[in-house]
Amino acid sequence: EVQLVESGGGLVQPGGSLRLSCAASGFTVSSNYMSWVRQAPGKGLEWVSVIYSGGSTYYADSVKGRFTISRDNSKNTLYLQMNSLRAEDTAVYYCARTYYDFWSGYPNWFDPWGQGTLVTVSS
Amino acid sequence: QSALTQPASVSGSPGQSITISCTGTSSDVGGYNYVSWYQQHPGKAPKLMIYDVSKRPSGVSNRFSGSKSGNTASLTISGLQAEDEADYYCCSYAGSSTFVFGGGTKLTVL
Repeated sequence: EVQLVESGGGLVQPGGSLRLSCAASGFTVSSNYMSWVRQAPGKGLEWVSVIYSGGSTYYADSVKGRFTISRDNSKNTLYLQMNSLRAEDTAVYYCARTYYDFWSGYPNWFDPWGQGTLVTVSS
Repeated sequence: QSALTQPASVSGSPGQSITISCTGTSSDVGGYNYVSWYQQHPGKAPKLMIYDVSKRPSGVSNRFSGSKSGNTASLTISGLQAEDEADYYCCSYAGSSTFVFGGGTKLTVL
């Protein structure tokens, strides 16, 4: 069964750091594109970052320079290192396998999603 | 990147059909056939319902269908059922390896 389980969320002060993990089972993280998507309390979904199977990484403007997506192939796990956290980064963070168009290489859609982990940035 | 525009809410009675629109620009919805739709029940993770504008994943009811015209994509749910009550989000590839989501639509089954 394909499954994603996030962990690492919690309460952190503004300016602080946190690393989220997303453990995958049923498929190989390094052979797939993988993304992080977040949802602020009571708000909509916001794409955060994607890592391609080849290792290229891309970010939303709102987190560029502060967040880093990475993976550990030996642990089949995706990560999101979040630095210089702000109150507006408060959200549930989801990881998701990201399908792509074979011919263009463009990422297309997200499936499945993990259950999410809550990050709260507050003093 | 601005969010795609969706109606905040739609409603329908059991058995009826509803359509949720998702309006973007030529840089996202209009520029690529990479629109997807997600269903989210309260407290749950999003679930893929439609991908590549109109394709339905295995296991998703054929009551769900998608289409696109110009810069606007649409999700139609026919034969509304109580369990369809949820939030729905559209998403589009927006170039340069980025994505943009819609603001979400709350579907109420009356």
